[in-house]
Order: sequence, then structure tokens, then C-alpha cells
Amino acid sequence: GAVVSQHPSWVICKSGTSVKIECRSLDFQATTMFWYRQFPKQSLMLMATSNEGSKATYEQGVEKDKFLINHASLTLSTLTVTSAHPEDSSFYICSARGPPGQTLEQYFGPGTRLTVT
Amino acid sequence: GESVGLHLPTLSVQEGDNSIINCAYSNSASDYFIWYKQESGKGPQFIIDIRSNMDKRQGQRVTVLLNKTVKHLSLQIAATQPGDSAVYFCAEGWGNNRLAFGKGNQVVVIP
Repeated sequence: GAVVSQHPSWVICKSGTSVKIECRSLDFQATTMFWYRQFPKQSLMLMATSNEGSKATYEQGVEKDKFLINHASLTLSTLTVTSAHPEDSSFYICSARGPPGQTLEQYFGPGTRLTVT
Repeated sequence: GESVGLHLPTLSVQEGDNSIINCAYSNSASDYFIWYKQESGKGPQFIIDIRSNMDKRQGQRVTVLLNKTVKHLSLQIAATQPGDSAVYFCAEGWGNNRLAFGKGNQVVVIP
């Protein structure tokens, strides 16, 4: 089956610094990836849609200058949390679409736990 | 920020019994629906999906029912096992493949 990885799995950073999270599709090409954040005991909230070779589409209320997304290849999308603050502490999860026309499924990564101190 | 003291709806079920998890969705234009299982500290795991032109779909030990009239989705798990303990989310999708997730239901299997 399709596998999506994330790196790092957890990260602790100081307030004001930037953190980059990688999302990779390991055995398939993903023209579209999605970034979600999840607070404890809450649902996943879509942050943005990442399209290979073009600008990401951000959901309403998500600051694009705060959460920089780069999808430079068919297997890699990155999310950079810039000037992180404690309220940015969350579980960040990426997903990748399966091959168009073959499946409805989005394959999810294992998530990255970000703690900002 | 984080919500302190937020509790998920919880379904406690005896091992071997059947579980039914319900979900109400909001968008009548949704093209398809997916159930995901999420264990603590992990990403969501696909369980089963159903297109909007269907009302029932079966998988291994799981059945999804869709009632578009009342915008209701359910997941039935047969012979629930301890490994089924997790949070279950329904998600609705449409055209551009964006998914909107429901609030989640905690399933606790009692051995």
C-alpha cells in the first residue's frame, strides 16, 4: 500500500524560531498533498492544499506567511512554521492523494508533534 | 489554542460485540465519505469509503451506511476486538478532494 512519511516525528523549539516539517510519499507520486493540524481530543483541521509546482491553497484563517508550504517535487512537500509561538504547538499531519481515478483515499503520514517553548 | 477539558463522545463496547459509530455531515454536495481510525499519537488510518450514489458498502468486519436524506453516516464494526480501540473520524469529500473531518468518536473495547 501507499506509504507517507513525515520527518521529524516530534520537535521541540524555542519561541521565535522556525521549524520545517517534511512529508514524503514513499512509493507513489503525489501531485497533491494536504496539511492538517490537530489539537488534543479534537478533529483534524485542514490548513492548506499543496500542489506540486504551484502555490499552495490555504484555508480561511490560516496565515500563509506563517505556515510556508513548498511542494517542489512529486514526492515531497514541506511545511515551515515561521516564528513559532507556544500557540502553534500542535500535531501536524500531512496526507497525499492516491492516483487520480483509482481511489478516493488520502494516505496520511504518522504526524509531527510540535512543541514550542 | 488547545481546549482544556474537551472530551470526545465515547462508546464502550464489550469485546466480541458489534459497534456502531454515527456521524452527521453537513454538505449535501459531498461526493464521497471516508471513515478513518486514529490511534493515539498516530496519523489517521483508512478504514472504508463510500460514494454518494451508494447507501451501503461492506469491507472486512466493517460496514458503512449512508443516509443522504438525513445526512447521516454510520460505521458498523463486527466482533469488536481490543485492537479496534481508537478514535474514529468520518470525513466528507468533494470535487477537489479536500476532506472535512467530523468531530470523532472514541471507541473503548472492554476485554
